[in-house]
Amino acid sequence: NAGVTQTPKFQVLKTGQSMTLQCAQDMNHEYMSWYRQDPGMGLRLIHYSVGAGITDQGEVPNGYNVSRSTTEDFPLRLLSAAPSQTSVYFCASSSRYSATARDTIYFGEGSWLTVV
Amino acid sequence: TQLLEQSPQFLSIQEGENLTVYCNSSSVFSSLQWYRQEPGEGPVLLVTVVTGGEVKKLKRLTFQFGDARKDSSLHITAAQPGDTGLYLCAGEGSGTYKYIFGTGTRLKVLA
Repeated sequence: NAGVTQTPKFQVLKTGQSMTLQCAQDMNHEYMSWYRQDPGMGLRLIHYSVGAGITDQGEVPNGYNVSRSTTEDFPLRLLSAAPSQTSVYFCASSSRYSATARDTIYFGEGSWLTVV
Repeated sequence: TQLLEQSPQFLSIQEGENLTVYCNSSSVFSSLQWYRQEPGEGPVLLVTVVTGGEVKKLKRLTFQFGDARKDSSLHITAAQPGDTGLYLCAGEGSGTYKYIFGTGTRLKVLA
């Protein structure tokens, strides 16, 4: 069972560069989201999606773009990387319709991003 | 803006002690969840509470949802070193699918 798969696991960027963090889930979940976690802190919601073609902003959306062209994939784009975006990024998915794990949020393993 | 504040932020206790972690908000949530996160990994769900006043037990862990569905607590009895980790509460505004996480409580249980 793959669950939620994120790539890359580690990335170093220079200020001003752009990149895309990939996220895929194989559980047919309608809900996907991206969070960032700074050292010793909780998670802050960047963007989320309740289905293909539908996205919305979370708590800290500035500097990030998302799209949801398929149920499975939810990439996160950093438009022009800044040192303040150095963080660990988690992709997550869940389903309101799962008989066994309704609303359980499944997380990927995280992507460690450093912007220098 | 919905916020979830957890207290305490850090907690270091001896094995065998009891502890309570709190998750508070001024907003009403349709459900609250508790997660535990270990270093280098994503959070893992411990429990979901959905009814005001609900109490759920998971072995030595007891979770309670406040009557007004604005707060929750996690009580651990006879803590063990394996309980060490970052505990996070998460809430969803009614029907929004927007899951907000708390600030986290970092627990260390010393043998």
